[in-house]
Amino acid sequence: EDQVTQSPEALRLQEGESSSLNCSYTVSGLRGLFWYRQDPGKGPEFLFTLYSAGEEKEKERLKATLTKKESFLHITAPKPEDSATYLCAVTLSYNTDKLIFGTGTRLQVFP
Amino acid sequence: NAGVTQTPKFQVLKTGQSMTLQCAQDMNHNSMYWYRQDPGMGLRLIYYSASEGTTDKGEVPNGYNVSRLNKREFSLRLESAAPSQTSVYFCASSRGTRPPDEQYFGPGTRLTVT
Repeated sequence: EDQVTQSPEALRLQEGESSSLNCSYTVSGLRGLFWYRQDPGKGPEFLFTLYSAGEEKEKERLKATLTKKESFLHITAPKPEDSATYLCAVTLSYNTDKLIFGTGTRLQVFP
Repeated sequence: NAGVTQTPKFQVLKTGQSMTLQCAQDMNHNSMYWYRQDPGMGLRLIYYSASEGTTDKGEVPNGYNVSRLNKREFSLRLESAAPSQTSVYFCASSRGTRPPDEQYFGPGTRLTVT
C-alpha cells in the first residue's frame, strides 16, 4: 500500500534553533514530492516540489531535500512566524492525478 | 486574483439534510479536487476532475457527489448528511497532472453534522 509518514508529529523549537522535519514514503513509483505549509484555520499553501533524488529547493529559512526513500524539510534559525503545520504529499508515477498526504508535523517556534 | 474560493465557510446540518459546497478558481486551471481533513487522518481525496467534463473517485467518495460545472467551478454535494461527514472540506486546483503540478487550496468549509 502506498504510504506517506511524517515525523515528528509535533516539534517545539526556540527561536534560532535549527532542525529538520522528515517525510518518508513507501510507494511503488514516485513521480513527485510536495511540501505545503498550513496555518490554523486556513488551507494548505504550496512550498516546494521535488522530482528526483538529490534535488534540493530553498525558500528563505526553508530547504527541502529528497532521497529515494524520504524527504527532509530543514528549517534554519526559525522565527515564531514559521510556526505552522507542515504537510508532505507524493504523487505516483502510475497515477499522477492524485496526491497522497502525510498527517503533518506541527511546528511551534517560541521567542 | 482571488485564487480558489469556497462557500460557505461554516455550516451546521442535521442528519439527513442535504447541501452543496461550492468552489471556484480564477487561475484557468484544468484540474480541481475535493478533500476532507480530519484530525490524525491528514487530507483525503474525495473526488477530483482532471479536466473539464471528467470526474473520478478518490479515496473516500461514499456519500458524496460532484459536478464540474465548467472549467472554473467544481461543486461537492452531500445528499443525506451523516455525523461521520463532520469535517473540514478543502477544494484545490492545479494546472494539470502530467507532469504533476502543485495544487492551490481554498480556505475550507467547516461542516458539522448533528
